[in-house]
Amino acid sequence: DTAVSQTPKYLVTQMGNDKSIKCEQNLGHDTMYWYKQDSKKFLKIMFSYNNKELIINETVPNRFSPKSPDKAHLNLHINSLELGDSAVYFCASSQSGQGGETQYFGPGTRLLVL
Amino acid sequence: DAKTTQPPSMDCAEGRAANLPCNHSTISGNEYVYWYRQIHSQGPQYIIHGLKNNETNEMASLIITEDRKSSTLILPHATLRDTAVYYCIVRGGSQGNLIFGKGTKLSVKP
Repeated sequence: DTAVSQTPKYLVTQMGNDKSIKCEQNLGHDTMYWYKQDSKKFLKIMFSYNNKELIINETVPNRFSPKSPDKAHLNLHINSLELGDSAVYFCASSQSGQGGETQYFGPGTRLLVL
Repeated sequence: DAKTTQPPSMDCAEGRAANLPCNHSTISGNEYVYWYRQIHSQGPQYIIHGLKNNETNEMASLIITEDRKSSTLILPHATLRDTAVYYCIVRGGSQGNLIFGKGTKLSVKP
């Protein structure tokens, strides 16, 4: 049973296109995240959603728009894709509460923009 | 920016203990120390976390110094499958995102 799943696993597309990446978690968590890992392997937070509300929005271009239809899903829509968007995108989830929050990550979506 | 400092790389012989150090001299009282690892091309995997007491689970042990300014992750019997980048992260208990640094690339050799 996959705890945090992402689709697609690989995505190759042309510059200027619009694409979406989907994330689902079956852990019953109330918080979900999107991270980006670039070619230099730095892993950075992009967005955080708690109970379907945006909590964190780091300096991410407006072309990136997260959408959370329910607590188990957090999708990432990207408009007008650019070469620099090529990266691995990881979804994660956690349950808010005392004593620290462990985040569980998905397998990643490898995006290549040509 | 990451609030931790780790050596960029370490080697360990298979079957031996791997001791991965981390400095977090600016840690505040309500911040936890988390360890994650990323095996090549996979998503980061949670290992262990602690506040001030030493912690142990089925994967590893976490030793935190009394002043909390540094910690050590111990993999008691490293295997080839433990080869990965290990990230030490300091984070407040109710905060959201994890701030990943460069981590330590651990290579377990036969």
